Amino acid sequence: GENVEQHPSTLSVQEGDSAVIKCTYSDSASNYFPWYKQELGKGPQLIIDIRSNVGEKKDQRIAVTLNKTAKHFSLHITETQPEDSAVYFCAASITGTASKLTFGTGTRLQVTL
Amino acid sequence: DAGITQSPRHKVTETGTPVTLRCHQTENHRYMYWYRQDPGHGLRLIHYSYGVKDTDKGEVSDGYSVSRSKTEDFLLTLESATSSQTSVYFCAINDGSRYNEQFFGPGTRLTVL
Repeated sequence: GENVEQHPSTLSVQEGDSAVIKCTYSDSASNYFPWYKQELGKGPQLIIDIRSNVGEKKDQRIAVTLNKTAKHFSLHITETQPEDSAVYFCAASITGTASKLTFGTGTRLQVTL
Repeated sequence: DAGITQSPRHKVTETGTPVTLRCHQTENHRYMYWYRQDPGHGLRLIHYSYGVKDTDKGEVSDGYSVSRSKTEDFLLTLESATSSQTSVYFCAINDGSRYNEQFFGPGTRLTVL
């Protein structure tokens, strides 16, 4: 089955700096890669996703890149703000197979003032 | 929020007792999922449903059963709870469209003593 590895497990940045979280996946058939943000005591919230026919996608301060050849994808957050502090999860799935997600182990991002 | 509620939100029970967690959606989505979240493991799929009375196992299904008698409700049952099932449980839904987006509920924190 699919295996998703995520690094780093913790990340501390100063407000205004950029943050990058990286994930690798094992199943070359995976073609959908969402990112979730989880705040304390809440469920994961989808913040951005990318499909295998696209190399990069941006949404304001957030961007995701995908390298299918190397089987890795990354989340980039620019101009970080304190409200970006949360746990971020990457995931992978194959569309058309009940959309079962395989998650990475999470990255705790702390944005300091 | 995606119209997903989970009940109860918190539960403490004793080893060997049966426990049922409920997920309710108002979106009329076809797919529903149960995940558990544990430190160092991210979110892992327990069971999922692709329609009324249609369910299948995920990667950590041992000790759990599910039922879906109505589109809007997906029940997760621990027939005889064990301490290893202490976790936070999340329900998720997906409309099965090509967009593949999966949305999560607020979670249930279960403690088995």
